[in-house]
Amino acid sequence: EADIYQTPRYLVIGTGKKITLECSQTMGHDKMYWYQQDPGMELHLIHYSYGVNSTEKGDLSSESTVSRIRTEHFPLTLESARPSHTSQYLCASSGDRGPYNEQFFGPGTRLTVL
Amino acid sequence: AQKITQTQPGMFVQEKEAVTLDCTYDTSDQSYGLFWYKQPSSGEMIFLIYQGSYDEQNATEGRYSLNFQKARKSANLVISASQLGDSAMYFCAMREGGARQLTFGSGTQLTVLP
Repeated sequence: EADIYQTPRYLVIGTGKKITLECSQTMGHDKMYWYQQDPGMELHLIHYSYGVNSTEKGDLSSESTVSRIRTEHFPLTLESARPSHTSQYLCASSGDRGPYNEQFFGPGTRLTVL
Repeated sequence: AQKITQTQPGMFVQEKEAVTLDCTYDTSDQSYGLFWYKQPSSGEMIFLIYQGSYDEQNATEGRYSLNFQKARKSANLVISASQLGDSAMYFCAMREGGARQLTFGSGTQLTVLP
């Protein structure tokens, strides 16, 4: 049973639109992450957060922004979507639940910008 | 330099046979963790197995085992008795030192043949 949720699962949108990808987790994890993944390729970390009001940029530069006002919620926003933003976006969290502090992933959002 | 290298873009295996997916890593940290994740075509990432750098025994989880060769910096995933449902993309990942971030390899697409 999933404890980390992402909406929408699929999004097709026109260039220039503002979008927000939602991510929520019910595990009480402090640490949350956003990855970007092109089809068949590796995951690249674009944002992470170690707790409320803490956000950092990841290894891959991204025009997106994130916020962490509540522990369980870590939304990602693109102010003006472009075709180059077409990709899959995966949200993850980690904490004390797993024995190895492994990251638990959401189902992902597949974004297509026309 | 790549921190995680997966040299097999695609692998085929006959149902019920064993298969080894290769992973080599590069780090100067003494303390690190190695993870394997499975990504079916639906897109979610499923944690499979973990190996800590100080673990003397190879990790095992059901049909999954990790062949950890520290001196060679390799952490190969072995799947025994392959099943059709094992067909998916498999990613090797590393967490270095006290970091909570994961670095992923480029993945191996495994196809199990009936």
